[in-house]
Amino acid sequence: NAGVTQTPKFQVLKTGQSMTLQCAQDMNHNSMYWYRQDPGMGLRLIYYSASEGTTDKGEVPNGYNVSRLNKREFSLRLESAAPSQTSVYFCASRRDTSNTEAFFGQGTRLTVV
Amino acid sequence: DQQVKQNSPSLSVQEGRISILNCDYTNSMFDYFLWYKKYPAEGPTFLISISSIKDKNEDGRFTVFLNKSAKHLSLHIVPSQPGDSAVYFCAVNNAGNMLTFGGGTRLMVKP
Repeated sequence: NAGVTQTPKFQVLKTGQSMTLQCAQDMNHNSMYWYRQDPGMGLRLIYYSASEGTTDKGEVPNGYNVSRLNKREFSLRLESAAPSQTSVYFCASRRDTSNTEAFFGQGTRLTVV
Repeated sequence: DQQVKQNSPSLSVQEGRISILNCDYTNSMFDYFLWYKKYPAEGPTFLISISSIKDKNEDGRFTVFLNKSAKHLSLHIVPSQPGDSAVYFCAVNNAGNMLTFGGGTRLMVKP
């Protein structure tokens, strides 16, 4: 059982380049999330999708876009990368009830130079 | 404004002793609380949770306490083991199925 799979695991971008981080889950979960982790800042929510067809902003959405392609996949796009977006990005998924845990992927380490 | 705060960035305890990690939140409407553990270069993994209708939940060496009047959550690990050394995050279920995390506490358990 793969759980939550993120690709790529590592990426280096130049300022101004664009890229899409991919996330897929095989647990038939309705809700999916994108977080970034920075030293001393914990996990900050970028965007989430409570169900297929819906997306909502989290705490730090500026500079990002998301697409809930289908129930399994939730992608995060950086249209014009900036050094401030250097971070570790985590995708997570969860059943649609509020009293359940979320499962996380292994993360994507992104460096913008 | 941070809705979930972990005021201690790090904690060091001796193997075999109790580790107590703390978390404060701002909104009395939060209804579900979780603790996650994270090792370097890995994704966070779920540890234990508690509903707002309870004040304690226990799972082996891990116990979570919820004090709703103080808006305070704590995780007790007894006895602490070197393998427990990791970063611990508390999280709350927010409106619309949003999951909000605290800043994390790095626990170091010394042999």
